[in-house]
Amino acid sequence: AQTVTQSQPEMSVQEAETVTLSCTYDTSESDYYLFWYKQPPSRQMILVIRQEAYKQQNATENRFSVNFQKAAKSFSLKISDSQLGDAAMYFCAYSRYGGSQGNLIFGKGTKLSVKP
Amino acid sequence: NAGVTQTPKFRILKIGQSMTLQCTQDMNHNYMYWYRQDPGMGLKLIYYSVGAGITDKGEVPNGYNVSRSTTEDFPLRLELAAPSQTSVYFCASRLNYGYTFGSGTRLTVV
Repeated sequence: AQTVTQSQPEMSVQEAETVTLSCTYDTSESDYYLFWYKQPPSRQMILVIRQEAYKQQNATENRFSVNFQKAAKSFSLKISDSQLGDAAMYFCAYSRYGGSQGNLIFGKGTKLSVKP
Repeated sequence: NAGVTQTPKFRILKIGQSMTLQCTQDMNHNYMYWYRQDPGMGLKLIYYSVGAGITDKGEVPNGYNVSRSTTEDFPLRLELAAPSQTSVYFCASRLNYGYTFGSGTRLTVV
């Protein structure tokens, strides 16, 4: 069974600084998707970034980028120029490509605080 | 487009009561999911559906039931509420590998 592990329950960053959130996963599949979701206090699940495993190039979305290491099964999220609005829970998630379910498997989350 | 709509947003139930959490999507997505989110535990899959009339259990299905009579609707039923079902519930739909989440239902069983 696939699993997703986020080893940092809480992280803190100074405004305008850079922070990296860690995520590792376990799978025997070669084709899959990886995601980072942001959950602010409003509870809404917001997609931050998505990575397709067959793409070697790391995905980026403005201030958010990932370091995808397929052999090491690692998928970290880097937030540059952190802003107060980045404070939230961040979840790493995995989805197998194909298959009958297509559901997301989530890590336990990392709570990010941003200090002014 | 409203996306995925969940109702109610909040609910308090007494032990043994039953209720239905509603989920509706207007994107014509075949795949739909119910997750529960407990503090510090991430989201876990309760049930999923790959299309109208087809549902299956996820990781934590005990105490819940679902139906999918139309593409749009995927209600989650709690028959005999227990304190262990206190949680935040999310409905989601999927097209390809793009997932859309509802805003969640916070359920407390007392």
